[in-house]
Amino acid sequence: GDSVTQMEGPVTLSEEAFLTINCTYTATGYPSLFWYVQYPGEGLQLLLKATKADDKGSNKGFEATYRKETTSFHLEKGSVQVSDSAVYFCALSANSGYALNFGKGTSLLVTP
Amino acid sequence: SQTIHQWPATLVQPVGSPLSLECTVEGTSNPNLYWYRQAAGRGLQLLFYSVGIGQISSEVPQNLSASRPQDRQFILSSKKLLLSDSGFYLCAWSVARGGAETQYFGPGTRLLVL
Repeated sequence: GDSVTQMEGPVTLSEEAFLTINCTYTATGYPSLFWYVQYPGEGLQLLLKATKADDKGSNKGFEATYRKETTSFHLEKGSVQVSDSAVYFCALSANSGYALNFGKGTSLLVTP
Repeated sequence: SQTIHQWPATLVQPVGSPLSLECTVEGTSNPNLYWYRQAAGRGLQLLFYSVGIGQISSEVPQNLSASRPQDRQFILSSKKLLLSDSGFYLCAWSVARGGAETQYFGPGTRLLVL
């Protein structure tokens, strides 16, 4: 079945450091891919998405490119801020069915 | 714009008690609606989804049930809570065009069963 694997955290970075959170997926067909962010005590917010191969999603300085050849959707940001501290979830949505398949989440802590 | 509400925000219930969590969506019609559970260290699990009033699909058999009495209202219930029902419950909606649509999440309800 469809699945998402993302790097386990926690990830601790200093402010202004470069961020990469790896995400790979297994799916039949051509899924849509998402990154969601969850701040402490809150629900999930959509951060960015990509719906086809080579699409690049971007938002708030975060980027991720849908790589079909490597089945990956890695999240990157050039310079993280303390306010980026949160849990980041990679997810996929198959073209059939309704469920979003989530990775287990990666906790990010950015220190001043 | 669309907004999604959930209540209560936090709930502490004894084992064996009933449960009712409510989710409502504003600003859209005929959305697909979803209930997810986020348990500690276990990621997010889809519990139920609904594509219309009275239409409920269950993804995981358990002692929970869901109902959709109105177009933009989705309710999660239990007759008798178990300790294992503790977790963070998230409601979500998407445009009703079939699979692969972006899902938007509510603020969640944190449930602690003692």
